[in-house]
Amino acid sequence: LAKTTQPISMDSYEGQEVNITCSHNNIATNDYITWYQQFPSQGPRFIIQGYKTKVTNEVASLFIPADRKSSTLSLPRVSLSDTAVYYCLAVAPYSSASKIIFGSGTRLSIRP
Amino acid sequence: NAGVTQTPKFRILKIGQSMTLQCTQDMNHNYMYWYRQDPGMGLKLIYYSVGAGITDKGEVPNGYNVSRSTTEDFPLRLELAAPSQTSVYFCASSTGTGDEKLFFGSGTQLSVL
Repeated sequence: LAKTTQPISMDSYEGQEVNITCSHNNIATNDYITWYQQFPSQGPRFIIQGYKTKVTNEVASLFIPADRKSSTLSLPRVSLSDTAVYYCLAVAPYSSASKIIFGSGTRLSIRP
Repeated sequence: NAGVTQTPKFRILKIGQSMTLQCTQDMNHNYMYWYRQDPGMGLKLIYYSVGAGITDKGEVPNGYNVSRSTTEDFPLRLELAAPSQTSVYFCASSTGTGDEKLFFGSGTQLSVL
């Protein structure tokens, strides 16, 4: 069961690029890296998923190096509305629900 | 697109009371989940279901019960509410076809006093 480690909190300013790193040293061969975003008083929302190299969508980019022991979520030109908690998960397809583990996440605060 | 709908949004219970948190999804997802989230913490899995008629315990099932009579609905029952059950409860669903992408409801904030 791949445990992920993230910074507890990060601060940045509007217009900056924010990179949140997740460590998963014992990631399994079948695990995918998945990131969720949670705004206050809302449930988490899926934002991006990848296996290796780089994945980009309209919200973020995900960088996963060849050894897959870490990954970086990149948020380009953040705004105040990107203030949220971001969760990194390592989950294999068809995993039991008990293996879908949300840790405490990274609390990102964006300032004007 | 409704997605995952939870009711009620807020509820205050007295110690020893019981209640049912409702969850319904309109995406025809096979898998459904109940999580609780205490302030400043991550989500803890209470119960989950892989299909109608099938449920299983998660990490923190004590004090809760679930049923899954239809694909759409997955109610969570609290019997004999205790202050330790004060939390925000989230219901989620996924296809069960391998992408493990969870869709969450907006949550129920429960206080037991």
